[in-house]
Amino acid sequence: GQSLEQPSEVTAVEGAIVQINCTYQTSGFYGLSWYQQHDGGAPTFLSYNALDGLEETGRFSSFLSRSDSYGYLLLQELQMKDSASYFCAVAGTASKLTFGTGTRLQVTL
Amino acid sequence: DVKVTQSSRYLVKRTGEKVFLECVQDMDHENMFWYRQDPGLGLRLIYFSYDVKMKEKGDIPEGYSVSREKKERFSLILESASTNQTSMYLCASSTGGGKETQYFGPGTRLLVL
Repeated sequence: GQSLEQPSEVTAVEGAIVQINCTYQTSGFYGLSWYQQHDGGAPTFLSYNALDGLEETGRFSSFLSRSDSYGYLLLQELQMKDSASYFCAVAGTASKLTFGTGTRLQVTL
Repeated sequence: DVKVTQSSRYLVKRTGEKVFLECVQDMDHENMFWYRQDPGLGLRLIYFSYDVKMKEKGDIPEGYSVSREKKERFSLILESASTNQTSMYLCASSTGGGKETQYFGPGTRLLVL
């Protein structure tokens, strides 16, 4: 089976940098994904790491260390609109995802 | 743009009723998924389908069944609704085969009284 751990809540100031960590235990591993969900909205895809290292997409970056079963999402130049829940998800088989319980990010002035 | 639609945003049903939740995607995706989302528990996979008439159990299939008669449509069925099935239900689709970007519908908030 799969299990993922991520912090339940993070608070940061507008303009700052925040890192959301995710550790996982899995019987199979294809990659680690990150999704964003605003209150009342649907989850939307942010990033995917299949190999070790950093992937950058604008203000967001995602990192994976397969040997440590660990990844993180890095959000830079935080904006109020980044207040949302962020989920890491492990692809344990080619198509199936197992999601973490989510991290609620609150961006303050 | 990929579009995943769900038949209802809000639904109120009585205990014991049979409930159908419909999901349609317009991008010819092979894979479709049903999740439920509860506070503090994240998204939990109920059932998924890799192809028409094909289904596989997810992590919490008890009390649910699914139907996929056409590629674009994936239905979730609660045979006899119970109060512990009150939840947000999310449908998703993906092309499969690697990167695993799943596209989600807006969700159906189901209340079982």
